[in-house]
Amino acid sequence: ETGVTQTPRHLVMGMTNKKSLKCEQHLGHNAMYWYKQSAKKPLELMFVYSLEERVENNSVPSRFSPECPNSSHLFLHLHTLQPEDSALYLCASSQRTGGLYEQYFGPGTRLTVT
Amino acid sequence: AQKVTQAQTEISVVEKEDVTLDCVYETRDTTYYLFWYKQPPSGELVFLIRRNSFDEQNEISGRYSWNFQKSTSSFNFTITASQVVDSAVYFCALRTIAGGTSYGKLTFGQGTILTVHP
Repeated sequence: ETGVTQTPRHLVMGMTNKKSLKCEQHLGHNAMYWYKQSAKKPLELMFVYSLEERVENNSVPSRFSPECPNSSHLFLHLHTLQPEDSALYLCASSQRTGGLYEQYFGPGTRLTVT
Repeated sequence: AQKVTQAQTEISVVEKEDVTLDCVYETRDTTYYLFWYKQPPSGELVFLIRRNSFDEQNEISGRYSWNFQKSTSSFNFTITASQVVDSAVYFCALRTIAGGTSYGKLTFGQGTILTVHP
């Protein structure tokens, strides 16, 4: 079974739509992350959750709203997005936060905002 | 501030050639971790290796080897006898314990696109 799954894999939405990205980890980890990967830019960390508590928010616009109902699930709620928000959104998990623990990534959701 | 530089944007080799992917990092922290990830066309980043700043031993895993040199702030990755399945984007990343948080800061390089031709 794949450790970290993400749905949907592809999403096209208009700027006025509201949608949600879902991430689920089957590794028993306590930390989960959202990253944004844009063309020709390094991966950008968006949010970090540790034991369902948000511990980091890297100046992400409010049109992105994360939710972590339990340690296995992470959502990214999207509303009134802009075309520049089109990117690959990657979810990751790790046993704990902290430098020692490597992160395991899902396959990503390819988001296109029209 | 942390920074990771992967100067090679794209590398193209023929199968069975050896290839080295360069990674240079910057940090003022004395404790940090370095990572390499592989991103195949399917999208997910696959963890390859983690190194901490106190362990400069080079590591070999099958056809993969890593050369960590603190003196030059480099953490290079070599694939020996490359194969078509090695074609992917490879990311080097640096993680420090910064700001008093337990999480720390993970910084990725721009990535190197490796294409191995048959």
